[in-house]
Amino acid sequence: DAEITQSPRHKITETGRQVTLACHQTWNHNNMFWYRQDLGHGLRLIHYSYGVQDTNKGEVSDGYSVSRSNTEDLPLTLESAASSQTSVYFCASSEYPDLNTEAFFGQGTRLTVV
Amino acid sequence: QQPVQSPQAVILREGEDAVINCSSSKALYSVHWYRQKHGEAPVFLMILLKGGEQKGHEKISASFNEKKQQSSLYLTASQLSYSGTYFCGTVSSGTYKYIFGTGTRLKVLA
Repeated sequence: DAEITQSPRHKITETGRQVTLACHQTWNHNNMFWYRQDLGHGLRLIHYSYGVQDTNKGEVSDGYSVSRSNTEDLPLTLESAASSQTSVYFCASSEYPDLNTEAFFGQGTRLTVV
Repeated sequence: QQPVQSPQAVILREGEDAVINCSSSKALYSVHWYRQKHGEAPVFLMILLKGGEQKGHEKISASFNEKKQQSSLYLTASQLSYSGTYFCGTVSSGTYKYIFGTGTRLKVLA
């Protein structure tokens, strides 16, 4: 079955370190998204991509970057981790260009910055 | 800007009904609804499109008022399994990204 997987599921890192969260999907979807989930804020869009070599900033992109070298993967990098980036991160994918289809979410990565 | 959901939280008894609202400041192309159980990924419930078309869940209904840029999710005869956090996801006209609302925590008690 097609799926979308995130790794690691849990990570603790120190302030100032670079961290990369992986997202891999086997749906062959062109659209991929990264969100962070914080209490009181719901899911907030960090970055998104419509296909290989395409990346776009979302609403809360400061301190984060993504790259899309193939259809299956959209890794999220925290350039210099800060305590404010402690959160649960979700990756999602959907078909392109039709956004009138559901988004499929990964299981999430809980990141703690100490 | 994120859509605003109301209420922020609601507690029900089994069999009771609930309405969750989602309001956007932008013109909407479609509205999606998702439910998230604690510690799990959000799961798709339904999509509402401009013009009234709906796709999704059999036992949960929703409405989409395009002029008011609002959507409401109707949970009738709630079951214990309905507990979770509900998110509306909006797609604004002219964009191709999902922006999710602030979430509504729903708990159904026996």
